[in-house]
Amino acid sequence: EPEVTQTPSHQVTQMGQEVILRCVPISNHLYFYWYRQILGQKVEFLVSFYNNEISEKSEIFDDQFSVERPDGSNFTLKIRSTKLEDSAMYFCASSETSGTYNEQFFGPGTRLTVL
Amino acid sequence: AQSVTQLDSHVSVSEGTPVLLRCNYSSSYSPSLFWYVQHPNKGLQLLLKYTSAATLVKGINGFEAEFKKSETSFHLTKPSAHMSDAAEYFCVVSARSQAGTALIFGKGTTLSVSS
Repeated sequence: EPEVTQTPSHQVTQMGQEVILRCVPISNHLYFYWYRQILGQKVEFLVSFYNNEISEKSEIFDDQFSVERPDGSNFTLKIRSTKLEDSAMYFCASSETSGTYNEQFFGPGTRLTVL
Repeated sequence: AQSVTQLDSHVSVSEGTPVLLRCNYSSSYSPSLFWYVQHPNKGLQLLLKYTSAATLVKGINGFEAEFKKSETSFHLTKPSAHMSDAAEYFCVVSARSQAGTALIFGKGTTLSVSS
C-alpha cells in the first residue's frame, strides 16, 4: 500500500541553524501539506501546496518557513533560523484532491529538537 | 471558526469491552469530520469520515462514529476493544476556506487496552 515517507525520523539542531525536513508524498497525489505538533499540544496546520505554489498557510508559517517541491517526488519544509520553540513533531501529508472531504494521508513524522 | 474538543485525554478499557472516545465540534455550517489514529512510530491513519451522506459512519477495524447535530458530537465507538487498538486517536474537522484544505485537530485521546 502506498504511503507517505519522511526523513529523517529525528533531527537535532542548534538554535539559529537551518534545517530541511523531507517528505515523499504518495506518487499520484497532487496536494501536499505540513503540520506540526508541539509536545503536549494539538496538531496544527502549517501550509498546503499545489501546482508548485502555496495554496494556504497558517499564521504559524512565517518568513522563516518555506516549502519546495524540488523534483517530482520530494516535498520539503525549510526552517531558516531555528528557534527553541520550533521543537516539535512535523508531519507531512498528501491528498489526491482538495476540498473539505478529501482524505489526507500522513507520514510518520520528523521529530525536530532545537537546542 | 471550526474547532473540535476531545473530552478525554486518556481512556483505559479492558480487552473485549466497548470503547467510547468523545468528541464535540463547533462549526457555523455542516462540518466535515474525521477520526484519525496514530500508532507508535506510525503516521496518522484515517479511521473514518463524516461527509453528511449518513449520520452513522463505519470505519476500519470495527470502529464507527455517529454524527449528532443536536449535541454537536461525533463520538467514536467500538463494541469490543482489541489490544491492537491501543493508540492515540484524533478527532478532526476540515476548515472551510478558499482552499478548503486545512485540517483542525483535537488534542487527542490516548486509548489503553489491558488484557
